[in-house]
Amino acid sequence: NAGVTQTPKFQVLKTGQSMTLQCAQDMNHEYMSWYRQDPGMGLRLIHYSVGAGITDQGEVPNGYNVSRSTTEDFPLRLLSAAPSQTSVYFCASSYAFGGSYEQYFGPGTRLTVT
Amino acid sequence: AQTVTQSQPEMSVQEAETVTLSCTYDTSESNYYLFWYKQPPSRQMILVIRQEAYKQQNATENRFSVNFQKAAKSFSLKISDSQLGDTAMYFCAFMKHGGNAGNNRKLIWGLGTSLAVNP
Repeated sequence: NAGVTQTPKFQVLKTGQSMTLQCAQDMNHEYMSWYRQDPGMGLRLIHYSVGAGITDQGEVPNGYNVSRSTTEDFPLRLLSAAPSQTSVYFCASSYAFGGSYEQYFGPGTRLTVT
Repeated sequence: AQTVTQSQPEMSVQEAETVTLSCTYDTSESNYYLFWYKQPPSRQMILVIRQEAYKQQNATENRFSVNFQKAAKSFSLKISDSQLGDTAMYFCAFMKHGGNAGNNRKLIWGLGTSLAVNP
């Protein structure tokens, strides 16, 4: 049982480049989300989804896009990377309605934008 | 809006001793969940313990227990018989209960307490 997987684990980008952070889960969870973790700021919600084809914005969505074409995958796209997007990114999943409310986290992606 | 406050940025404890980490929160909700997550140097976010607000009994998981004071909006974590492997950042988090709103699984996080267990 792989749980929540994220790739890559580390990434360095130049300002203006684009990239996609991958997230996948094998627990048939409806709810998936992306957080960023910054020193002194805690974790902040970027985007979330409650099922295939349904996404919505969190607290800090600017500069990021998401889509949810399958239950398993929830990629996060940086359209034009900026130094302010240097952070550690976590993907999490859980049941959306009923069932256990526990959220499972991926191992994180450390992104540096120079 | 809900907020979560962890007033102790750093703490240390000797191996085998007991330590308590503080967490307070602010909400107008009557039903919600509270969590403590551990983040060791590996960066993996690990659930330590959870508490449903409607339950008066404090949650316990082996050496970890909470003191949940709903009226005071306080949710402290006690670690007994501290071990070197307990060295980590500890985050307190809040989540509203249920409903059909799309954001019903959103976690509100504190800024964390860095705990060092010394040999």
